[in-house]
Amino acid sequence: KAGVTQTPRYLIKTRGQQVTLSCSPISGHRSVSWYQQTPGQGLQFLFEYFSETQRNKGNFPGRFSGRQFSNSRSEMNVSTLELGDSALYLCASSLAEALEQYFGPGTRLTVT
Amino acid sequence: AQRVTQPEKLLSVFKGAPVELKCNYSYSGSPELFWYVQYSRQRLQLLLRHISRESIKGFTADLNKGETSFHLKKPFAQEEDSAMYYCALAQTGANNLFFGTGTRLTVIP
Repeated sequence: KAGVTQTPRYLIKTRGQQVTLSCSPISGHRSVSWYQQTPGQGLQFLFEYFSETQRNKGNFPGRFSGRQFSNSRSEMNVSTLELGDSALYLCASSLAEALEQYFGPGTRLTVT
Repeated sequence: AQRVTQPEKLLSVFKGAPVELKCNYSYSGSPELFWYVQYSRQRLQLLLRHISRESIKGFTADLNKGETSFHLKKPFAQEEDSAMYYCALAQTGANNLFFGTGTRLTVIP
């Protein structure tokens, strides 16, 4: 079974721009969660989508948003990028609640 | 609010020695607790979860609700155990993992 895939793997953007990251979950998984990983804050939960609905949300500003499509693929958008948004963004998929989450390789976003 | 604490950023042990990675949590409900591991140049992956009570790669972890701890233990460390270990908590019935800051384990041959 193919693992979680994320595109693009690397991205460089300028302050003030916006960015969209994509995540394709494992086939059959309907839950997709997003995490931000930085050296200073570690791994932080952004949000989770299940059957196209946002089910949980972390403590991030409204500039961070996401959506999920009917095929369970998910996108994450960050508007008005700030230098502090530079991070590794991880996506994870799961069959159901509180079960094993399978992580993707991440998208490395650099904001200059 | 929930919080996961891993007090050791770095831990080095000799091969064959016992290893214990500490994890403490705070959460007002009944948490789901996990240990995730990231080997060099690999993805973050689940090592074990408290509800399954199984041993993976010789590692075990017992949930102690009185001490709010979920320490990871292995009686005899192997070189291949060298990795970054994260303790994580999910709220009851949710997929929102709250991670500790991680412990980098190095097993010295």
